[in-house]
Amino acid sequence: GQNIDQPTEMTATEGAIVQINCTYQTSGFNGLFWYQQHAGEAPTFLSYNVLDGLEEKGRFSSFLSRSKGYSYLLLKELQMKDSASYLCASKDSNYQLIWGAGTKLIIKP
Amino acid sequence: DADVTQTPRNRITKTGKRIMLECSQTKGHDRMYWYRQDPGLGLRLIYYSFDVKDINKGEISDGYSVSRQAQAKFSLSLESAIPNQTALYFCATSDNLDGIDTQYFGPGTRLTVL
Repeated sequence: GQNIDQPTEMTATEGAIVQINCTYQTSGFNGLFWYQQHAGEAPTFLSYNVLDGLEEKGRFSSFLSRSKGYSYLLLKELQMKDSASYLCASKDSNYQLIWGAGTKLIIKP
Repeated sequence: DADVTQTPRNRITKTGKRIMLECSQTKGHDRMYWYRQDPGLGLRLIYYSFDVKDINKGEISDGYSVSRQAQAKFSLSLESAIPNQTALYFCATSDNLDGIDTQYFGPGTRLTVL
């Protein structure tokens, strides 16, 4: 079956760094997406990885290891507005996105 | 103005009623999707359409139907609503011009079936 695993909830301190992990098992692989979703709002696109390695975009970076079926999202210099859920999604062999349940990130002052 | 809009934003209905959720986009994208989101679960694909003449079932299409009235409009219908269809529904759009087919989401419709 197809499965995306990510922690349900994480807590971090304002100004710190946090890493949100995601492991995936999908039939085929055509890329890994990270989205941010504030409570009651639409998911918004953060990053995409299809090759192994790190993609950096400002305070956010995303890493992929295809051999391990593993990705992480790294958030630096955390701000209160980063309190949100972070959704990991893998694009399968049919080019459909398989979504994890999301990681709720709580930022404390 | 928002690029992807959904109406209504909130709806409360009763079991057995027919409900239509509407999605419009001004992004000019060919591809449109309907998802539902339930607490503790990932987004699940209901239907998707890659152009006006193309409609495909997703993971959980039973109990739902769709209509692609135009490139910019994609409607989701619940023919006879039941309580376990209570969820947050999202429409999304994409094209593949960026090579990665990024999906852009509407604000969502919160549906409650009593």
